[in-house]
Amino acid sequence: GNSVTQMEGPVTLSEEAFLTINCTYTATGYPSLFWYVQYPGEGLQLLLKATKADDKGSNKGFEATYRKETTSFHLEKGSVQVSDSAVYFCALSDISNQAGTALIFGKGTTLSVSS
Amino acid sequence: KAGVTQTPRYLIKTRGQQVTLSCSPISGHRSVSWYQQTPGQGLQFLFEYFSETQRNKGNFPGRFSGRQFSNSRSEMNVSTLELGDSALYLCASSLTNWGYEQYFGPGTRLTVT
Repeated sequence: GNSVTQMEGPVTLSEEAFLTINCTYTATGYPSLFWYVQYPGEGLQLLLKATKADDKGSNKGFEATYRKETTSFHLEKGSVQVSDSAVYFCALSDISNQAGTALIFGKGTTLSVSS
Repeated sequence: KAGVTQTPRYLIKTRGQQVTLSCSPISGHRSVSWYQQTPGQGLQFLFEYFSETQRNKGNFPGRFSGRQFSNSRSEMNVSTLELGDSALYLCASSLTNWGYEQYFGPGTRLTVT
């Protein structure tokens, strides 16, 4: 079945450091891939997405490239800010099989950025 | 456009009771999905509705049910509450049920005592 594995946290960085959060997936079809972010006490916000191989999603300085050959969708940011502190979720949606549009999430990675 | 709204935001119930949660999608969105978020199990898909029809269902017991109205608003119901049902219940809406991105509401925090 479909699944998402992302690196365990917490990830602790200083402001302006480079961020990478690893995400790999298993899918039987051709999934769309997403990164969502959750701030304390809030729901999930869509950060970026990619719908096919080699697509690069980007938003607010964050980037992730859909790598079919390595089944990965790693999240990166060149210079993190304190305001980026949150929980980040990698997810996939595979409409080519019975799973429909249900999002399958990784366990989440907590990012803490200090000034 | 207003985002996805969920009511109530917080709820405390007693074991054995039932509860109904409500979700209003973004205007124009016809698909509504529900997810349960717990520290132990993470984010798990409950079910999805499109045009008042349940299109997809996750691996949850029959105590969890839902429905969608003609205006795309959705409700989910949990009967015979158990302590393990304590969770954040998130609703998400999308334009259709064909792979468009989903937009989440703030969630309803349910505590079962």
